[in-house]
This record gives sequence, structure tokens and C-alpha cells, in this order.
Amino acid sequence: KAGVTQTPRYLIKTRGQQVTLSCSPISGHRSVSWYQQTPGQGLQFLFEYFSETQRNKGNFPGRFSGRQFSNSRSEMNVSTLELGDSALYLCASSAGQNNEQFFGPGTRLTVL
Amino acid sequence: AQSVSQHNHHVILSEAASLELGCNYSYGGTVNLFWYVQYPGQHLQLLLKYFSGDPLVKGIKGFEAEFIKSKFSFNLRKPSVQWSDTAEYFCAVTRTGSQGNLIFGKGTKLSVKP
Repeated sequence: KAGVTQTPRYLIKTRGQQVTLSCSPISGHRSVSWYQQTPGQGLQFLFEYFSETQRNKGNFPGRFSGRQFSNSRSEMNVSTLELGDSALYLCASSAGQNNEQFFGPGTRLTVL
Repeated sequence: AQSVSQHNHHVILSEAASLELGCNYSYGGTVNLFWYVQYPGQHLQLLLKYFSGDPLVKGIKGFEAEFIKSKFSFNLRKPSVQWSDTAEYFCAVTRTGSQGNLIFGKGTKLSVKP
């Protein structure tokens, strides 16, 4: 079974731009969660989607948004990028409640 | 709000030494607990998980963890570490029944000297 894939793996943007990251979950997994990993704040939960609906949301500003498609693939979007948005963005998928999350390799976003 | 504390930022051990990494969480309800590992250049991988039942859980690669409810702790242990255990270890918690929003600790870097 293929693992969680994320594209692109690396991105460089400038302040004020917007960016879209993509995540393809493991086949059959309907839950997709997004996390931001930075050296200072560690791993922080952004949001979770299940069956195309946002089920949980972390404490991030509205510039961070996401969506999930009918095939469970998910995208997250960050608008009006700030320097502090530079981070590794991780996607994780799971089969449902009380199932472990499987993580992808992440997208490394650098904002200049 | 839920939170997770990992007491050690960086631990350095020699091969064959025993390992214990501390993890305490803050949450009043029923929780699911996890330890994840991130080897250099690799994805986060699940080491072990606790949902219910026996508070001593065994994971992959000889790791185990004990859930002590009264202490809100879920410490990770391994009797004898190897150089290949060099990695960053993350403790995480989520409310039982809600699996999509893991709350992570800041992580502990483990360096094992050969």
C-alpha cells in the first residue's frame, strides 16, 4: 500500500504570496489532518478533514484554510504569506476514529 | 486546553544504556496516547499507542511505555538503546473518540553514541 504523499516537497515563496499544498492519503483512509512543524513551536495541529468536511480546527489564523475532495485528497492553502509561516507542513491520514495517523514526508515551505 | 510536556530536550546516551523519556499531559477526560519517532530525514512513524486496557504497552523496535493515569504520564522506555535509535521522539495525546487532532509535545532528541 502506498503511503501518504505530499506535493510539492519544497517551496520557496515571498511575503504576501499565497501557496497551496497537496496531500494524497493512504488508499481507503478518509481522515486527513494537517500539522505545522517549526523548531520553536514544534508540531501544531492545523485542521482535520473527514468525508470532505472540516471536523476539527486548531488555533491558526484564517489565512490558513483547507479542503478535502471526494477522493479524500486534501489541499491546504495559506494566503498572504508571512515570514513566520516558514515551516514543514505535514499531512497525516487515518482510517477513522481511534486509528493511528500515518504521516507523509511533508512540504518544506520557505517564505522570503 | 490539552497540552503535552516532554521533560528532556536532548538526551545523550551510550549504546546499551537504558532509556526513559518523560511525557506528561494535561487533560481532564479520557485520552489516547502515542509516541512517534522521527529518524533523520524520515517521516514521523508511530512507535506505540495506548487507547485502553493494559497500561503497559509494547511498540516496535523494543520500545514500551507505561500509562500512569494518576500522574498523567506516559513515559517511553527501552532497556538497551542502539546507535540506530538516534532520532527525535514525540509524545502526543488526543481526546478519546477524536483522533484527527493530535496534540504533540515539543519532542526529545536522542543521540546514541556508538
